[in-house]
Amino acid sequence: SQQGEEDPQALSIQEGENATMNCSYKTSINNLQWYRQNSGRGLVHLILIRSNEREKHSGRLRVTLDTSKKSSSLLITASRAADTASYFCATDEDFGNEKLTFGTGTRLTIIP
Amino acid sequence: EPEVTQTPSHQVTQMGQEVILRCVPISNHLYFYWYRQILGQKVEFLVSFYNNEISEKSEIFDDQFSVERPDGSNFTLKIRSTKLEDSAMYFCASLDRGNSPLHFGNGTRLTVT
Repeated sequence: SQQGEEDPQALSIQEGENATMNCSYKTSINNLQWYRQNSGRGLVHLILIRSNEREKHSGRLRVTLDTSKKSSSLLITASRAADTASYFCATDEDFGNEKLTFGTGTRLTIIP
Repeated sequence: EPEVTQTPSHQVTQMGQEVILRCVPISNHLYFYWYRQILGQKVEFLVSFYNNEISEKSEIFDDQFSVERPDGSNFTLKIRSTKLEDSAMYFCASLDRGNSPLHFGNGTRLTVT
C-alpha cells in the first residue's frame, strides 16, 4: 500500500451520523495531519497529531494515532451537510524539512 | 487569521508557453512549498524552500520548473515550457516552524491546451 492510504475511498452517511475514516502509512513519522478539501478548492487543515500523541480532539473531530500499527483514524461526530468533502491524511516523515506525503483521500458525502 | 494567497486562481496557457504562478505566504513563516494535484489524484509534493534556497525537490520538479522568492513577500513557481501533463491544481503552502500545520493557499488551476 502507499504511504498515507485512506479507507474507505468513499463514504455516504445520513446527516447526524458519525463518520470514520482510516489512514495507514509505512514509514516513521514526525506527525500526521488531516486536511479537508471541498470540490475544486484549497486544502483546509483540520488537526495535527504528533507521533508521541495517541488521541486528539477538536470540536466534532477526534483523531487517533497508533504508531505500532502505523495507522490513524478521523472521526467526525454528528455529521452535517457542510461536512461533505474529501478528507486526506498527510504524514510528515522528514524530520526538519516538514514535507508532507498525502494519501489518496476519502470522499465523504453527507445525505441531508 | 492570516492566510496564504495565490494568484491567479485559474490560468490557461498554450503548450510550450512559460507560466508563473504567484503566492504570498503568511508573513512570519519561514518554510515555503509547492504541491500539485492532477484532477482526481492525490496531492503531490513538488519543492520546499527555506533560507532562500531549495531544501528538497521531487522527481516531478525537473529543469522546467523553478522557484523564486524575489522579495520579502512573494514566492513564485515558474514552468518554462508547459506540457499538457502540467495541467493541474498548484498549491502553495507555508509553515512557521517544525512540527506544526502547513497552511495552504486556495490554489491555481493551470490548464495547458
